[in-house]
Amino acid sequence: EAQVTQNPRYLITVTGKKLTVTCSQNMNHEYMSWYRQDPGLGLRQIYYSMNVEVTDKGDVPEGYKVSRKEKRNFPLILESPSPNQTSLYFCASSLSAGGLNTGELFFGEGSRLTVL
Amino acid sequence: AQKITQTQPGMFVQEKEAVTLDCTYDTSDQSYGLFWYKQPSSGEMIFLIYQGSYDEQNATEGRYSLNFQKARKSANLVISASQLGDSAMYFCAMREGGSQGNLIFGKGTKLSVKP
Repeated sequence: EAQVTQNPRYLITVTGKKLTVTCSQNMNHEYMSWYRQDPGLGLRQIYYSMNVEVTDKGDVPEGYKVSRKEKRNFPLILESPSPNQTSLYFCASSLSAGGLNTGELFFGEGSRLTVL
Repeated sequence: AQKITQTQPGMFVQEKEAVTLDCTYDTSDQSYGLFWYKQPSSGEMIFLIYQGSYDEQNATEGRYSLNFQKARKSANLVISASQLGDSAMYFCAMREGGSQGNLIFGKGTKLSVKP
């Protein structure tokens, strides 16, 4: 089954404790992206990757890191989480990047993170 | 300036009636794509419909249709014969042709279907 898998789905942590949210897709997609969703703000892009070893900042990258060592994986790293990073996080992927890409973005099920 | 504007934070519709969710966009690109996603209370993002800027016909997918008015830069979602299961958040999004594949989302409209 084609899917984007995120883990963990739910996490409560404390300020400053490093954490990683994993994301894996099995569709051989080139493009992957992380979004955060907050009430009244919609989805805002954190980082994206157009291919292996190619990553770039989105609209709200502060406090996050990513890596793309393999095509299928795109982990989101919070080196020192703070309460303002409490949010619902989505990983997404699509077939290709660049130009007019008509392919839909496939989303993971979301990871709800609470930072105390 | 916002690239995607959804002016209706919340809407109600009676079951079996049609409803239109508004979306306007802002881009200087000639090539772009417009998407609608549904997010039920369970949280997952479900792709509904896509419209390309060069498509002459309005996109349709089952009970969903996209009322594309290019000159007005609007891409409203029309849901016909609303069902209780249509109650959800709906997001309009745009991918610009000159971008690197990124989807820009509006803030969403919460639709509630009344029995």
